[in-house]
Amino acid sequence: DVKVTQSSRYLVKRTGEKVFLECVQDMDHENMFWYRQDPGLGLRLIYFSYDVKMKEKGDIPEGYSVSREKKERFSLILESASTNQTSMYLCASSSSRGYNSPLHFGNGTRLTVT
Amino acid sequence: QQQVKQSPQSLIVQKGGISIINCAYENTAFDYFPWYQQFPGKGPALLIAIRPDVSEKKEGRFTISFNKSAKQFSLHIMDSQPGDSATYFCAASMLTGANSKLTFGKGITLSVRP
Repeated sequence: DVKVTQSSRYLVKRTGEKVFLECVQDMDHENMFWYRQDPGLGLRLIYFSYDVKMKEKGDIPEGYSVSREKKERFSLILESASTNQTSMYLCASSSSRGYNSPLHFGNGTRLTVT
Repeated sequence: QQQVKQSPQSLIVQKGGISIINCAYENTAFDYFPWYQQFPGKGPALLIAIRPDVSEKKEGRFTISFNKSAKQFSLHIMDSQPGDSATYFCAASMLTGANSKLTFGKGITLSVRP
């Protein structure tokens, strides 16, 4: 079974802090994604990565950056947290082998910025 | 603009009834349509998916119906059970390669009353 592990279930940070959200997958997947989930807005893609050290912007990248130094690990960085970044953050991974392999999600990190 | 639109926004069904969730898309280049299911406290997981070369796909109590001319697809849950209570997301992507990314709808909350 694919396991996508997000390092924190709940996180509370102050406005202006630099925040790191960590995600690790154990299935040797090439693709990794960061989404945020907000009520009434669904799942919105922040950044994704198809390979180590590469990254591409999703639909809402402003205020975020990412790092992928190793294949199994994909980090989301909030350079200067703001209250409008309070949200549920979901990491996902998928395989590049075969078309449209399913996304495997972690259980999310609920971030509150005060 | 929202490329994938779900309706209704929420749904309450009695146990044993049929749950129907609709999804409409705008981009005619989309050619892969999955549904994801999310339980409280968990990340979404792939439930069932369809490609437009078929009009219907059934897996157990779950069926996707696809109408290419109307650019719509729907999820039918037969004999709905309280355990089906969850948030359901439709999504779409293009089969441009092994690394196509999904566009999600906003999600709907299904409650199945015992």
